[in-house]
Amino acid sequence: ELKVEQNPLFLSMQEGKNYTIYCNYSTTSDRLYWYRQDPGKSLESLFVLLSNGAVKQEGRLMASLDTKARLSTLHITAAVHDLSATYFCAVDEVGNEKLTFGTGTRLTIIP
Amino acid sequence: SQTIHQWPATLVQPVGSPLSLECTVEGTSNPNLYWYRQAAGRGLQLLFYSVGIGQISSEVPQNLSASRPQDRQFILSSKKLLLSDSGFYLCAWSDMTYEQYFGPGTRLTVT
Repeated sequence: ELKVEQNPLFLSMQEGKNYTIYCNYSTTSDRLYWYRQDPGKSLESLFVLLSNGAVKQEGRLMASLDTKARLSTLHITAAVHDLSATYFCAVDEVGNEKLTFGTGTRLTIIP
Repeated sequence: SQTIHQWPATLVQPVGSPLSLECTVEGTSNPNLYWYRQAAGRGLQLLFYSVGIGQISSEVPQNLSASRPQDRQFILSSKKLLLSDSGFYLCAWSDMTYEQYFGPGTRLTVT
C-alpha cells in the first residue's frame, strides 16, 4: 500500500522567511503533484512533477522531485501572507488510476 | 476548456435521511472521475473512482454508494445518513495524465 507522508503538519512562519515542506512516499513513482487549499475551498493544482530531477517554479514557490529518494520538496522563498493555506502532495502509483494524498501541511504566514 | 460542477454547494440533512450529490464535467470525454471526503481540518479520503460508465471502484466500505449513469456525470448517494458522514465532499476528474482537477465541493452537515 502506497503511503505518502508530509512534514511538518503545521508550519507557522514570519513574512520574509524561507522554508521547505517535505513529501516522502513509500513506493516507486515518477509522478507527483502539489495542491493548495484555502480554508473552506476546494483544491487548486500548483505543480505537476513528472520525472526524476524535475523542478517547477511559480512565484515564491518551487517544487522538486527526487524519485530515487522518493522525496519531493516545496520551497517557499520570502514568504508573504497570501501564501497561507494548506498544501497537499499527491503521488500517482505506477499502473494506478488514482492518487494517494499526503496529510497536508497547514502553513500560516505571520506578518 | 474543461469545467467541473458540483451541487448542491451546501446541504444540511438529518440523520437517517437519504443523500444525492451530483458532479458533472464539461469539455472532456471519458474522464476518470473521483469522489473524496474531507473531514474538518483533515486530509482527503478517496471514496470512489470510476474509469468509465457503470464502472465504480469503492475504496472505503461504508453506507455510501456511487454511480456513473453518463460519461461525464458522477453521483454520490446514501440511503440513510450517519452523523459521521458530515464533511466536505469533493469531486475530481482526470485525463490520461492522471493530474486531478477538483470541483468546488459540497459541504454536508448531518444533524
